[in-house]
Amino acid sequence: EAQVTQNPRYLITVTGKKLTVTCSQNMNHEYMSWYRQDPGLGLRQIYYSMNVEVTDKGDVPEGYKVSRKEKRNFPLILESPSPNQTSLYFCASSLYADSYEQYFGPGTRLTVT
Amino acid sequence: AQTVTQSQPEMSVQEAETVTLSCTYDTSESDYYLFWYKQPPSRQMILVIRQEAYKQQNATENRFSVNFQKAAKSFSLKISDSQLGDAAMYFCAYRSTNAGGTSYGKLTFGQGTILTVHP
Repeated sequence: EAQVTQNPRYLITVTGKKLTVTCSQNMNHEYMSWYRQDPGLGLRQIYYSMNVEVTDKGDVPEGYKVSRKEKRNFPLILESPSPNQTSLYFCASSLYADSYEQYFGPGTRLTVT
Repeated sequence: AQTVTQSQPEMSVQEAETVTLSCTYDTSESDYYLFWYKQPPSRQMILVIRQEAYKQQNATENRFSVNFQKAAKSFSLKISDSQLGDAAMYFCAYRSTNAGGTSYGKLTFGQGTILTVHP
């Protein structure tokens, strides 16, 4: 089954404790991205990757890091989480950047206290 | 940069009735994609319908249809014969296909509209 998986689905952590949210797709997609969803703001892009070893900032990259060492994986790293990073996070992938269809992961609810 | 605006934070409809959700966007590009996504309480993002900007014909998917007005930069979603399962947050989104632009590949979302369906 073609899918995007994210782990964990829920996470409660404390300020400053490094964490990683994993994202994996099994469709051999080149383009992957991370979004955060906040009330009244919709979803906003954090980082994206055009292909392996090619990543770039989206609209709200501050406080986040990413890596793309393998085509299927695109982890989101919060090196020192802060309460303003409490949000719902989505990973998404598509075959190419201009593909008609984009697949979303199930979302990760992160709470930073 | 592109922007997407959904001016209706909440909408409600009676079961079996029709409701229209509004979306406007701003762009200087001529070719792009537009989408409506549904987000039920499970939080999963579900694609409802999509439209390619170069196509003049409005997209339809069963009970869902759009009114795409390219010159007015408007992309509304009509849900006919509303069902209880249609209750969700709905997002309008824009995707740039301009390979030379800074927004290439990015989905730009509106703020969302919460749809309530009354039995």
